[in-house]
Amino acid sequence: SQTIHQWPATLVQPVGSPLSLECTVEGTSNPNLYWYRQAAGRGLQLLFYSVGIGQISSEVPQNLSASRPQDRQFILSSKKLLLSDSGFYLCAWSVLGIQGDTEAFFGQGTRLTVV
Amino acid sequence: AQTVTQSQPEMSVQEAETVTLSCTYDTSESDYYLFWYKQPPSRQMILVIRQEAYKQQNATENRFSVNFQKAAKSFSLKISDSQLGDAAMYFCAYRWGSNYKLTFGKGTLLTVNP
Repeated sequence: SQTIHQWPATLVQPVGSPLSLECTVEGTSNPNLYWYRQAAGRGLQLLFYSVGIGQISSEVPQNLSASRPQDRQFILSSKKLLLSDSGFYLCAWSVLGIQGDTEAFFGQGTRLTVV
Repeated sequence: AQTVTQSQPEMSVQEAETVTLSCTYDTSESDYYLFWYKQPPSRQMILVIRQEAYKQQNATENRFSVNFQKAAKSFSLKISDSQLGDAAMYFCAYRWGSNYKLTFGKGTLLTVNP
């Protein structure tokens, strides 16, 4: 069965420090991968998605970047964190079926607090 | 642009009773998919049910069913025989065709009273 791992679960970082959140998927090949952010009282906002190694699409211009160095690994990064980067970050995966992309399956999320 | 609206920020239901959560969406597309996700206090997003727009039959998963009204662009979730474990934030989501982006509503917080 497919599983998705996301870490760390919680993170407290000072303003101006770098960020690296990692996500890996097991049990499937060539998944589509996503990074979402959930702000308090809001739904999820898509930040990045990737359909293959080295292929990254950005949905929202911001202080963050994403990379996909391996087929089932997706990394969210920042060189210098801002207070506004605080939030709950979720990694997700899906696969391309006959009728397009399937539903997304989510990791357990990372609570990031920038202080 | 596609939008998803959940007009009920909070709902409550007595254990064993039925509750319906509302969702409306705006799209000009004919080929799309709708989803309900559950987010319990653990914060992990769990897929509850999905509906393909080309299917007239409403989707059902055990105690969860939807009322999909395509012309009205309405996609409500009915939870029957509510259980304490159903307490969570519920999100309605939309995806267009082969597009990868899921658009979420702001969620409805469901409380189940014993």
